[in-house]
Amino acid sequence: DAGVIQSPRHEVTEMGQEVTLRCKPISGHNSLFWYRQTMMRGLELLIYFNNNVPIDDSGMPEDRFSAKMPNASFSTLKIQPSEPRDSAVYFCASSTTGTVYGYTFGSGTRLTVV
Amino acid sequence: TQLLEQSPQFLSIQEGENLTVYCNSSSVFSSLQWYRQEPGEGPVLLVTVVTGGEVKKLKRLTFQFGDARKDSSLHITAAQPGDTGLYLCAGARSSNTGKLIFGQGTTLQVKP
Repeated sequence: DAGVIQSPRHEVTEMGQEVTLRCKPISGHNSLFWYRQTMMRGLELLIYFNNNVPIDDSGMPEDRFSAKMPNASFSTLKIQPSEPRDSAVYFCASSTTGTVYGYTFGSGTRLTVV
Repeated sequence: TQLLEQSPQFLSIQEGENLTVYCNSSSVFSSLQWYRQEPGEGPVLLVTVVTGGEVKKLKRLTFQFGDARKDSSLHITAAQPGDTGLYLCAGARSSNTGKLIFGQGTTLQVKP
């Protein structure tokens, strides 16, 4: 298995532009998580899905952020409009339901908003 | 509010030394995991501990879950430069939801 695949690896965009981050989870994993990592705040859970259904989006910073999971093999995280404070590394992770199995993380997308 | 507090935040040691990283909380967790993250990559799962008092060993790494399932420790014996990285603990409040809460991490540098 190729693992969790995220794209793009790096994204530089201007303030106000729309940004879409993509994730392909491991086949057979039915839980998907979006995290944001910064030096100041560490890893923050933004939203997670079970069986393609959003379960907890309480970590989504504000209405500018939205996430979708149209099928078991694809998810997107969209920021519109982007702001400089959104600059961070965004990780997608997947797992089998039940935390004992642990997460498999992607390599992340480093987002820079200028 | 940080539910999981890791200490120390930074640690720089010489090759061959021993070290312990702590992960503490006032909350009870159904399980706790340790991850290691290298620059430019996502965290990689090292171990999951489930039972209070449980001890697991992974080569030179020893992981312990506190009896009350509120804390954990990671001990590395004879650290190697390859152990350098960010160590993260993560706790699950429920075994059903799949949701993990991460600590802030401990950055370890092992100098040759």
